Amino acid sequence: DVKVTQSSRYLVKRTGEKVFLECVQDMDHENMFWYRQDPGLGLRLIYFSYDVKMKEKGDIPEGYSVSREKKERFSLILESASTNQTSMYLCATQKRGAQRGYTFGSGTRLTVV
Amino acid sequence: GENVEQHPSTLSVQEGDSAVIKCTYSDSASNYFPWYKQELGKGPQLIIDIRSNVGEKKDQRIAVTLNKTAKHFSLHITETQPEDSAVYFCAAHTSGGSYIPTFGRGTSLIVHP
Repeated sequence: DVKVTQSSRYLVKRTGEKVFLECVQDMDHENMFWYRQDPGLGLRLIYFSYDVKMKEKGDIPEGYSVSREKKERFSLILESASTNQTSMYLCATQKRGAQRGYTFGSGTRLTVV
Repeated sequence: GENVEQHPSTLSVQEGDSAVIKCTYSDSASNYFPWYKQELGKGPQLIIDIRSNVGEKKDQRIAVTLNKTAKHFSLHITETQPEDSAVYFCAAHTSGGSYIPTFGRGTSLIVHP
């Protein structure tokens, strides 16, 4: 069964901390994405990557960075966490090629206090 | 860019009834339309999809229809069960190289036993 694993289900961090959210997939998918999900705002794209060492900004990259050193791992980094980054974070993967759907992880609910 | 509107935002039905969720899109170049189901505390899961060369697709109790002329597509769930209660998202992928979909805002479906 294909899997996208996010390292933490729930995370509580303090304002100003550097936060790492990890996503690991075992499907050999080329494309990986980070979204945040907030009530009333739907899914918003933060960053994505089509290949190792490659990254592209999504719609709301401010305050975030990413790292993709290996094909199977895509990390989201909050450089200095703020309370407005409290959210559900979803990682997704996608096989390159013809239009295809996403495989999502279970999400990380991050609370910044 | 593409714009996807999803209605209704909340849908409440009795067990055994049918449920219909509708999405409209703006870009006539969109050619792939997946639907996702997100249960409480989990990530979205792809449940059915349709490509622009097909008008309807069924999978047991769920079906999706596409009207390219009117630029809308709908999810139909028959004989609803309490376990169908979830948030459902539609998405539209536009041809031309980007693998990134535009998502609808989601519909919260509640099935009352």
